Amino acid sequence: EPEVTQTPSHQVTQMGQEVILRCVPISNHLYFYWYRQILGQKVEFLVSFYNNEISEKSEIFDDQFSVERPDGSNFTLKIRSTKLEDSAMYFCASSGEVAPTGELFFGEGSRLTVL
Amino acid sequence: GNSVTQMEGPVTLSEEAFLTINCTYTATGYPSLFWYVQYPGEGLQLLLKATKADDKGSNKGFEATYRKETTSFHLEKGSVQVSDSAVYFCALSVNTGGFKTIFGAGTRLFVKA
Repeated sequence: EPEVTQTPSHQVTQMGQEVILRCVPISNHLYFYWYRQILGQKVEFLVSFYNNEISEKSEIFDDQFSVERPDGSNFTLKIRSTKLEDSAMYFCASSGEVAPTGELFFGEGSRLTVL
Repeated sequence: GNSVTQMEGPVTLSEEAFLTINCTYTATGYPSLFWYVQYPGEGLQLLLKATKADDKGSNKGFEATYRKETTSFHLEKGSVQVSDSAVYFCALSVNTGGFKTIFGAGTRLFVKA
């Protein structure tokens, strides 16, 4: 069964360092998302992406964040200068159906720890 | 704005008990509604969905009905099992030019044998 894969599963970084989280969405999907979850609590929307551009972003997704789909298969989230409060589990998701009715398929997440 | 409110947990039930997890929403436009489940150490996975008023979504014995008049989408199951222990998230998705799915805070369910 097709699945969304994320790497790394866990990354530890120093405050101020750049981090890139990688995702390979399901191959025929067209809609891509990043979410984060702090301490197993609320799942917060960061950004949605379609047709090679950002569709919508939240207030959390400030100038320190960027997304890219560099090669037609990977979908990356970059945090330019990490802060302590960026420590969270980051989930990538993709959908093959036209928003907003489509099911999101989530990866297993990348845990980011900022020291 | 768009938001989802669901009952706080944790909810602790004995096996075979009846489950209700309340969810209400506010939305601009006409949202689709979802319940997702997260098992320990995993990502979220879709449990059920409803895309228009009065639709009932159902899966694995769980069901929820899209109630436009009360802006609700309560999750129910007649007889829970230990394996249902997980965190349940109510969510809505609406197209406002862009698109996003937003989630409630999650309700943790513990089922005791």
